[in-house]
Amino acid sequence: EVQLVQSGAEVKKPGESLKISCKGSGYSFSTYWIAWVRQMPGKGLEWLGIIHPGDSDIRYSPSFQGQVTMSVDKSINTAYLQWSSLKTSDTAIYYCARPFGFPGPLEFWGQGTLLTVSS
Amino acid sequence: EIVLTQSPGTLSLSPGERATLSCRASQSVSSRFLAWYQQKPGQAPRLLIYGASRRATGIPDRFSGSGSETDFTFTISRLEPEDFAVYYCQQYGSSPYTFGQGTRLEIK
Repeated sequence: EVQLVQSGAEVKKPGESLKISCKGSGYSFSTYWIAWVRQMPGKGLEWLGIIHPGDSDIRYSPSFQGQVTMSVDKSINTAYLQWSSLKTSDTAIYYCARPFGFPGPLEFWGQGTLLTVSS
Repeated sequence: EIVLTQSPGTLSLSPGERATLSCRASQSVSSRFLAWYQQKPGQAPRLLIYGASRRATGIPDRFSGSGSETDFTFTISRLEPEDFAVYYCQQYGSSPYTFGQGTRLEIK
């Protein structure tokens, strides 16, 4: 069974750094891209970008380029999304998701990580 | 960047009725790389339709999609109580793989 399990909720202050994780299981992790999607409170879905665990090829959305950093550690089947200096506007739920194929729709989703940034 | 515009913003219907949702793209979506997702409160989105008209694994046949290029339609033939949720379209033919703003399907 394909599963994506994300790290738990975080509460941070503006200016702090953070790295959240997404661990894949039940499939060949290095073979499939991992996408990140943001959902701000009460709002819709936004595409942040996508990373290939096999070679760390990354495609950022221009809207998020420079705002977040994607990475992977394929030795532990885990993808990461990180911020170097959080803003209150980063408050959102962040989902990782796996497409079947590339390009491809997002077939499997993590449970989401709620990030709250507040002073 | 391809902008997807969904309509209506909110659709109020009763169980048993037919729901028709629209997704219009600012540019042609290559190879009909258009998907539809359902999201219920507190849950991650669920893939329903991909390739504009193909049902994802385990999706009931009351859900269907159609369309091409810039105009796409999602239909629920006969609404069940569990179908009331928010629906998003997404294009994955041109990076960034953008989403529409969503249509809320509510019980009338």
